[in-house]
Amino acid sequence: RKEVEQDPGPFNVPEGATVAFNCTYSNSASQSFFWYRQDCRKEPKLLMSVYSSGNEDGRFTAQLNRASQYISLLIRDSKLSDSATYLCVVNHNNNDMRFGAGTRLTVKP
Amino acid sequence: NAGVTQTPKFQVLKTGQSMTLQCAQDMNHEYMSWYRQDPGMGLRLIHYSVGAGITDQGEVPNGYNVSRSTTEDFPLRLLSAAPSQTSVYFCASAPSGGRLGQYFGPGTRLTVT
Repeated sequence: RKEVEQDPGPFNVPEGATVAFNCTYSNSASQSFFWYRQDCRKEPKLLMSVYSSGNEDGRFTAQLNRASQYISLLIRDSKLSDSATYLCVVNHNNNDMRFGAGTRLTVKP
Repeated sequence: NAGVTQTPKFQVLKTGQSMTLQCAQDMNHEYMSWYRQDPGMGLRLIHYSVGAGITDQGEVPNGYNVSRSTTEDFPLRLLSAAPSQTSVYFCASAPSGGRLGQYFGPGTRLTVT
């Protein structure tokens, strides 16, 4: 089993839609969780950290469920510019970060 | 403030050749790391460093060496290139051991023939 698993998609949604991605992780001792976005042929960029109580940044909401070992990302009011691959990241041990393979999102006009 | 820089952007090697991928950051981050990204597999950690003089292996360290003589630089050495090392290589840096998220360089596209 991979340590961090994501549905690869693709998710194709119209502008204005709400879309959610989930990511599961295998190490119950993990303490740090992140979502990154990666545009085609570019480097990953940090989108947001995921905190135990859940957190929101504008149209983006991240949630953590420790009991079920998954994190989620909700995007409201999707924009064309949200089209990208979204990467889930979980720390394997203190400083060893493990990436999921990514979920591809395409927002269409 | 250039952030994380990587050179070269593209490289073609023949099997058996060696080379060094350069990575530098100007944010005074203690933590630096190297990943490779292959289609369908996501980013995999090769080596990381939590400070000058300290390095550790990640998930896929075989065939690669690193050193960290300064806070700014974290070069990745391919000892004897193999076609299986054809990949995109990303360097990243972070404050606080990566627990606050990492900043990535633009990547090096390496092809081994």
